[in-house]
Amino acid sequence: AAGVIQSPRHLIKEKRETATLKCYPIPRHDTVYWYQQGPGQDPQFLISFYEKMQSDKGSIPDRFSAQQFSDYHSELNMSSLELGDSALYFCASSLGGSNQPQHFGDGTRLSIL
Amino acid sequence: AQSVSQHNHHVILSEAASLELGCNYSYGGTVNLFWYVQYPGQHLQLLLKYFSGDPLVKGIKGFEAEFIKSKFSFNLRKPSVQWSDTAEYFCAVNAPSASGGGADGLTFGKGTHLIIQP
Repeated sequence: AAGVIQSPRHLIKEKRETATLKCYPIPRHDTVYWYQQGPGQDPQFLISFYEKMQSDKGSIPDRFSAQQFSDYHSELNMSSLELGDSALYFCASSLGGSNQPQHFGDGTRLSIL
Repeated sequence: AQSVSQHNHHVILSEAASLELGCNYSYGGTVNLFWYVQYPGQHLQLLLKYFSGDPLVKGIKGFEAEFIKSKFSFNLRKPSVQWSDTAEYFCAVNAPSASGGGADGLTFGKGTHLIIQP
C-alpha cells in the first residue's frame, strides 16, 4: 500500500540558511501533520492542514511556515536555521477528523552545521 | 492543553514475558488515544487506537490496551513478548476540536524504550 512520502530523506544545511521539506500524503488523504523529533525525544507537533487550510498549530517557531497545496502535498519552509533545528521531521497524513489515525512517513533528517 | 505521562522510560524483559506499559493523560474532555511503535531508524507505526466504545482495544502484533476513564489511563499490554518487539513505544492523545472534523495534532508521551532479551 502507498505510504506517506517525504523528501529529501537527509538534508544538511548551515546556520542561517533556509530549507524546504516536502510531504506527499497517502492518496485520498486530505489532512497533513508536521512533527519535529529531536534526538532521544518524543515527537512534537508543529502544524496541521485540512483541505488546504491550516487546522491546528503546535510549537512551530515563527521562522517556520507551511502550506498544503491543491494536490494535498505539503511543504515545510524553514528560515534562519539554528543548530537547535537539527532533528527528524515527520509528516503524517490522515483522512479528515481527529478520530482518524495518522500515518507517518519515514521523516527527513535535518542536520545544521 | 493535554499532556501524556509514560512512567517507564526503559523496560528490559526476557522473551515470553508479559508486558504492560503505563500511560496516563491529563485532559478534562474527550480524547482519542493511540499507541505507536518506532523500530530503530524507522517511522512511527500505529499499534492501536481508541475513540469510543469497548474500552479494551486490540491492535496489531498481539498488542492490546485498556482505556480506564476514571484513572485517565491507557496502558498497553502483550501477554508474551518476542525479541522483535524491541523498539520505542509512544502513547499519544489528541482532543477532538469543538467544531469537529479538525486536524488536531497528537501530544506524545516521552516514550518507553523496550528491550527484549533472547
